[in-house]
Amino acid sequence: AQKITQTQPGMFVQEKEAVTLDCTYDTSDPSYGLFWYKQPSSGEMIFLIYQGSYDQQNATEGRYSLNFQKARKSANLVISASQLGDSAMYFCASSFNDYKLSFGAGTTVTVRA
Amino acid sequence: NAGVTQTPKFRVLKTGQSMTLLCAQDMNHEYMYWYRQDPGMGLRLIHYSVGEGTTAKGEVPDGYNVSRLKKQNFLLGLESAAPSQTSVYFCASRRQGAEKEKLFFGSGTQLSVL
Repeated sequence: AQKITQTQPGMFVQEKEAVTLDCTYDTSDPSYGLFWYKQPSSGEMIFLIYQGSYDQQNATEGRYSLNFQKARKSANLVISASQLGDSAMYFCASSFNDYKLSFGAGTTVTVRA
Repeated sequence: NAGVTQTPKFRVLKTGQSMTLLCAQDMNHEYMYWYRQDPGMGLRLIHYSVGEGTTAKGEVPDGYNVSRLKKQNFLLGLESAAPSQTSVYFCASRRQGAEKEKLFFGSGTQLSVL
């Protein structure tokens, strides 16, 4: 079975600093997609960034970038210049060449002023 | 701009009661999903559907049933609710296209089973 692992239950970061959220995955499929979602305290799920397994470059979306290391099966999210509004739960997810999206357990980020 | 709509948003049940959660999407998406979210466990897939009239089991299907009689609707049923089914339930949909397509989520349903 495909599996997503997020080993950091919670993290604190100082405002304006960068933070890296870890995500590893386990698959033997050659084609897959990796996603990051943000869930603020309001509860909605917000799509942040996508990386395809065949993409040559790491994905970036504004202050979010995905550090994709295919050989290590790692897809870490980097948030640069953290803001108070970045305080939320962050989920790594993947689709492994089928219909389903599997999620990790999530990492809670708290940004301190 | 409705997107994915879940009803109800909150519900309290007694053990043994039944209920149906409704998910409706207006984006003509082929795939629809029901997830449950529990602290420390992320989102776990209950059931999913890849088209009208089709359903399949996900990771944690026991105690739930689903139906997709119309493309835009995906219903999740609890026939005999148990306290272990206390959770936040999310419906989601996506376009056909497999691994490159992101999920669009509903706003969630907070269910408490006493």
